[in-house]
Amino acid sequence: GAVVSQHPSWVICKSGTSVKIECRSLDFQATTMFWYRQFPKQSLMLMATSNEGSKATYEQGVEKDKFLINHASLTLSTLTVTSAHPEDSSFYICSAGEGPSDYGYTFGSGTRLTVV
Amino acid sequence: GQNIDQPTEMTATEGAIVQINCTYQTSGFNGLFWYQQHAGEAPTFLSYNVLDGLEEKGRFSSFLSRSKGYSYLLLKELQMKDSASYLCAPGDSWGKLQFGAGTQVVVTP
Repeated sequence: GAVVSQHPSWVICKSGTSVKIECRSLDFQATTMFWYRQFPKQSLMLMATSNEGSKATYEQGVEKDKFLINHASLTLSTLTVTSAHPEDSSFYICSAGEGPSDYGYTFGSGTRLTVV
Repeated sequence: GQNIDQPTEMTATEGAIVQINCTYQTSGFNGLFWYQQHAGEAPTFLSYNVLDGLEEKGRFSSFLSRSKGYSYLLLKELQMKDSASYLCAPGDSWGKLQFGAGTQVVVTP
């Protein structure tokens, strides 16, 4: 099955700073990756679709200038939370896969962001 | 828009069977995924149904009826480690998944 690596696992940053989260597909090429956010005791909410070599597609209500997505290679997508504020504190998770199959889409281990 | 409904919580004893129902209304449907998520961790893939019918994988089985917009996840021979949130997620042909709120399954001794 597909292996997806996400880094860092957790990060604490000061309000107003930017944080970059990396998502890598380790054993396959991913032209598309997905970024989700999950607040405590809530389900995963899709933020955006990351497309290799082109602009990301953002879901309604997600600020593209605040959540910058770069997918410069077939194995790496990055999410940068710019000018972070305490309300951005959340669990950010990426997913990727080789297509719908018995292996599904694999999630990274997630990044717990705390903005103080 | 997307509308995914599943029960909030279910409780069962060790060794029992629990069925988690999910109804959905989505666009561009290309299969139904079930994921398991333990608190503080990322979801792990359980099953994928694209055709109508039952898919069995060990203690876990999943059923899909596309015409009814309905799926269920069946957990058999429950173990304590099965206590987790179970997420129903219809997907489109590009891999974009929309998640339900999740069903918290509590397994008691």
